[in-house]
Amino acid sequence: GQNIDQPTEMTATEGAIVQINCTYQTSGFNGLFWYQQHAGEAPTFLSYNVLDGLEEKGRFSSFLSRSKGYSYLLLKELQMKDSASYLCAGLYSTLTFGKGTMLLVSP
Amino acid sequence: DARVTQTPRHKVTEMGQEVTMRCQPILGHNTVFWYRQTMMQGLELLAYFRNRAPLDDSGMPKDRFSAEMPDATLATLKIQPSEPRDSAVYFCASGGDRAAYEQYFGPGTRLTVT
Repeated sequence: GQNIDQPTEMTATEGAIVQINCTYQTSGFNGLFWYQQHAGEAPTFLSYNVLDGLEEKGRFSSFLSRSKGYSYLLLKELQMKDSASYLCAGLYSTLTFGKGTMLLVSP
Repeated sequence: DARVTQTPRHKVTEMGQEVTMRCQPILGHNTVFWYRQTMMQGLELLAYFRNRAPLDDSGMPKDRFSAEMPDATLATLKIQPSEPRDSAVYFCASGGDRAAYEQYFGPGTRLTVT
C-alpha cells in the first residue's frame, strides 16, 4: 500500500501557528489532498497540491515537495473552531488517506 | 445547496442481519466512493464508481459486501451477513469530472452490529 504518515495528535494555543506534517510514498503519486474532519462529522476538502510549492488559502496553506515525499498543512491565527482531525490523502490510482492528526486548540 | 445525502444516519442491527446503506450523490457528479472509517484503521476506500461502472472494489470484503449503482442518483452498499467487526461509520463521497478526487462527503451512516 501507499504509506501516508502523519502525527497522531497535536496541541496549540488560540492565535498561534501550527504545522501538520505528512509523508507519503512517492511511487505512483499524483497529488496530495488535505481534509478537515470535526468530531462526528464528514471530512471536508481543504486543499489539493499537485506541483511543488506553497498554496495559500486564507488562514490555511498547504505545501508539497514531490521529490521528498513530504507535505505540510499550515494553520495561522488559530481559532477554537480549528480543533478537528486533519487528514492527509495521497492520490495514486485512488485516494489513500492517512489516519489523521487530531489538533486541539486551547484558549 | 448541493450535498451528498446518506440514509440511514444510524443503524443498529444484530449479527447475521442484512444491512443496506444508500447514498445520493451530488447531481451531475459522475464518480462515487464508499469509505469505511474506524478509530483503528482510519478512512479506508471500499469501492469506487465512475459513470455508474465499478472501477475499484479491491478494498471490499467480497464474501459479504456488495456495492451497486442502480442509477445515477443512487448508490447502495450492502452487507450480508453483518458481523460485529463491520461496526464503523460508512461514508459516501462524490466528485465531478473536472476534479474527480475533490470529493464531497455525505454525513455518513454509523453502523453498530451487536
